[in-house]
Amino acid sequence: QVQLQESGPGLVKPSQTLSLTCTLSGASISLSDYYWTWIRQPPGKGLEWIGYISYSGNSYYNPSLKSRVAISVDTSKNQFSLKMSSLTAADTAVYYCAGGGDGWFDPWGQGALVTVSS
Amino acid sequence: QSALTQPPSASGSPGQSVTISCTGSSSDIGSYNYVSWYQQHPGKAPKLMIYEVNKRPSGVPDRFSGSKSGNTASLTVSGLQTEDEADYYCSSYAGSNSLVFGGGTKLTVL
Repeated sequence: QVQLQESGPGLVKPSQTLSLTCTLSGASISLSDYYWTWIRQPPGKGLEWIGYISYSGNSYYNPSLKSRVAISVDTSKNQFSLKMSSLTAADTAVYYCAGGGDGWFDPWGQGALVTVSS
Repeated sequence: QSALTQPPSASGSPGQSVTISCTGSSSDIGSYNYVSWYQQHPGKAPKLMIYEVNKRPSGVPDRFSGSKSGNTASLTVSGLQTEDEADYYCSSYAGSNSLVFGGGTKLTVL
């Protein structure tokens, strides 16, 4: 059974950079035709697609976040990561990692709450 | 890239059917058959219910069905059960390797 687990700091100061890691178990992150995705959800609000990295290593981002976001893969650790810079309180959210195919996301990690506050 | 439009709420009684709409544009839903739907219970991660407009992943009851007409996609839940009460989100491929979500619909089973 494929499972994903997010890890990273729960509290980040404004203007700093967030680093989150998603560890995959039960399958290889090098699976062809799979996209490794980050999605976030501010408290009480809807889902926002952040971006994804393809099995071939190409990354694509939400245009509204593109200047602050980078997604990378570490195949040796079966992990992929998110870095988001210049954080503000508006970036406070539950951050989910997910796998998926063309336009769908499954499975999902359990989510990691990140609070941006001084 | 604008968010897809969903009604904030929907409701139905046990056993009834309810349909949730998801309206986009010719740049997303209208151009691609990559619409998916997710169910999210409070405090839980979303769960894939429908992908590629009308396909159900293994384990999803056939009470859940999806369709699309023009720029609008729909999720129908038939034979409502109490456990169907949750938030539902649609998503669509929007071209240029981007995806977009709807704002979500809170389904209440009366």
